[in-house]
Amino acid sequence: DAGVTQTPRHEVAEKGQTIILKCEPVSGHNDLFWYRQTKIQGLELLSYFRSKSLMEDGGAFKDRFKAEMLNSSFSTLKIQPTEPKDSAVYLCASSPGTEYQAPLFGEGTRLSVL
Amino acid sequence: QQKVQQSPESLTVSEGAMASLNCTFSDGTSNNFRWYRQHSAKGLEVLVSIFSDGEKEEGRFTAHLNRANLHVSLHIREPQPSDSAVYLCAVSITSNNRIFFGDGTQLVVKP
Repeated sequence: DAGVTQTPRHEVAEKGQTIILKCEPVSGHNDLFWYRQTKIQGLELLSYFRSKSLMEDGGAFKDRFKAEMLNSSFSTLKIQPTEPKDSAVYLCASSPGTEYQAPLFGEGTRLSVL
Repeated sequence: QQKVQQSPESLTVSEGAMASLNCTFSDGTSNNFRWYRQHSAKGLEVLVSIFSDGEKEEGRFTAHLNRANLHVSLHIREPQPSDSAVYLCAVSITSNNRIFFGDGTQLVVKP
């Protein structure tokens, strides 16, 4: 079974650039999550989609972060413009949407902003 | 907002000795609890899910939940060096699917 696929695995950006991270959820899953992971803050929710509809947009991340889900098999996270403090691992997860089945995570994209 | 706290921050055990990790949460209406493992530079791997008070075993991993005490724990039987990783506690309320994570426990298993 294919898991959650994230690309690229590593991204290096200059301050002020626009970057787009990609995620392919597990086929048939209805829920999709984007998280940011840092040593200081741990895992922070950026966006949550259910059946392609945005359910939560992560509050504090609204201004420069935009997640989209144009179809059920693909999602993007755009950061525009990037800042050095955005350096982190960005994780995507998908879930069938039933309460008893755990979200499955991709391996993440490690972003470094210089 | 839900607060999830894990202890200890780091734990070193010898191969074969039991490893015990703790997690406390603040919202007593929480009803969905999971333990994840994260090896360095990898994604999160779900180990065990528990939804009601008591015990749930998945192989060498056992979760104990006591909702009255706002506490869930993970016990790893006969840990191996390959179990060295960060262990994350995840707590949610199924009505809104919002998942709150603890900061993790770094486990080192020495041969």
